[in-house]
Amino acid sequence: DAGVTQSPTHLIKTRGQQVTLRCSPKSGHDTVSWYQQALGQGPQFIFQYYEEEERQRGNFPDRFSGHQFPNYSSELNVNALLLGDSALYLCASRSRAGVYNEQFFGPGTRLTVL
Amino acid sequence: QKEVEQDPGPLSVPEGAIVSLNCTYSNSAFQYFMWYRQYSRKGPELLMYTYSSGNKEDGRFTAQVDKSSKYISLFIRDSQPSDSATYLCAMRSSSNTGKLIFGQGTTLQVKP
Repeated sequence: DAGVTQSPTHLIKTRGQQVTLRCSPKSGHDTVSWYQQALGQGPQFIFQYYEEEERQRGNFPDRFSGHQFPNYSSELNVNALLLGDSALYLCASRSRAGVYNEQFFGPGTRLTVL
Repeated sequence: QKEVEQDPGPLSVPEGAIVSLNCTYSNSAFQYFMWYRQYSRKGPELLMYTYSSGNKEDGRFTAQVDKSSKYISLFIRDSQPSDSATYLCAMRSSSNTGKLIFGQGTTLQVKP
């Protein structure tokens, strides 16, 4: 049973560019959350998607947007990249029918902005 | 002030030692408390979760929550070199089903 998968593994962009990160949830999961983890810090919640809509949002600017597809996979888009956007971006999935606590995390996409 | 405070360490212990990891928090609405383990270049892995106050034990791991003091702990008995990782506490309120608030993480090294 495949867990949460994310692509790409690493990404290098320059300031001002746009980036799209992808996530496939664990089999049986219908809810996806995205987190940003700066070096040496804990993950910070960006937003959560289920039923193809954004349901909760953390304290991130509108440059951060997302999408969820009918197969529950998700994309995170970041526009007008800043140096401070360099971080590990984590996707977590869970089942709304399951125990809410059990968010399973993917390996992350490491984004470097030059 | 951060909602969740966690000593970043690093914490270095000899193999077989008992390890104590702690977090404090300020939001009294937090009801669900979790500990994640994160190896280098990997995503966080859920170790333990607890609802409200009390203790929970799973093998060598024990999680404790003291809501009156807004303090949570993770104890690791008979620590092993494979336990060397960053340990993240996380918590949420009943209404925020998807939004976990994490501590900074404590880096643990268990020396053989």
